Amino acid sequence: AQSVSQHNHHVILSEAASLELGCNYSYGGTVNLFWYVQYPGQHLQLLLKYFSGDPLVKGIKGFEAEFIKSKFSFNLRKPSVQWSDTAEYFCAVNAQTTDSWGKLQFGAGTQVVVTP
Amino acid sequence: GAVVSQHPSRVICKSGTSVKIECRSLDFQATTMFWYRQFPKQSLMLMATSNEGSKATYEQGVEKDKFLINHASLTLSTLTVTSAHPEDSSFYICSADRRQGYEQYFGPGTRLTVT
Repeated sequence: AQSVSQHNHHVILSEAASLELGCNYSYGGTVNLFWYVQYPGQHLQLLLKYFSGDPLVKGIKGFEAEFIKSKFSFNLRKPSVQWSDTAEYFCAVNAQTTDSWGKLQFGAGTQVVVTP
Repeated sequence: GAVVSQHPSRVICKSGTSVKIECRSLDFQATTMFWYRQFPKQSLMLMATSNEGSKATYEQGVEKDKFLINHASLTLSTLTVTSAHPEDSSFYICSADRRQGYEQYFGPGTRLTVT
């Protein structure tokens, strides 16, 4: 069975600092990769996704992620965070198999707190 | 666009009763919807896949007789928690698939408390 691990459960940083959140998955086949964000009191929103092509993916709100196949990783980055980036961030993986189509396996999430 | 709603947002019920949660895609049709469960401070766990016009498929360990899913139309899926127990208390989230597995949009979730 596949699994998704996020390295940090809780990150605190100051505004303008750079952010990198780690995500690793365990599945040897082809995958679709996602990062979702959940702002306080709101529903999950898609930040970015990778299906194929350029392994460096740009998403909304200045976020980007890099897929490194050899490392089974899909780390999320933002060069300069804002207070409004305070949220919980989830990495999710979908294995491209017949019976897993569309099914997302989520990591445990990382709570990011940005201080003014 | 791509809005998914859930109703109710919060429900309290007594042990032994049943409660129905609705998930609607408001501005698109979704042949597939997914139901997740989220415990406090934990991630989302996929419970089942809801397919319009056919039976839902449940993940391993999820009791299909306890969590009844009905996907009666292309914009509505319902999850009924039958004979609820306090351990069923959780945050239930649905998502609707707009593009055959490529785009899922999530509802705001339903907080279920069983007393």
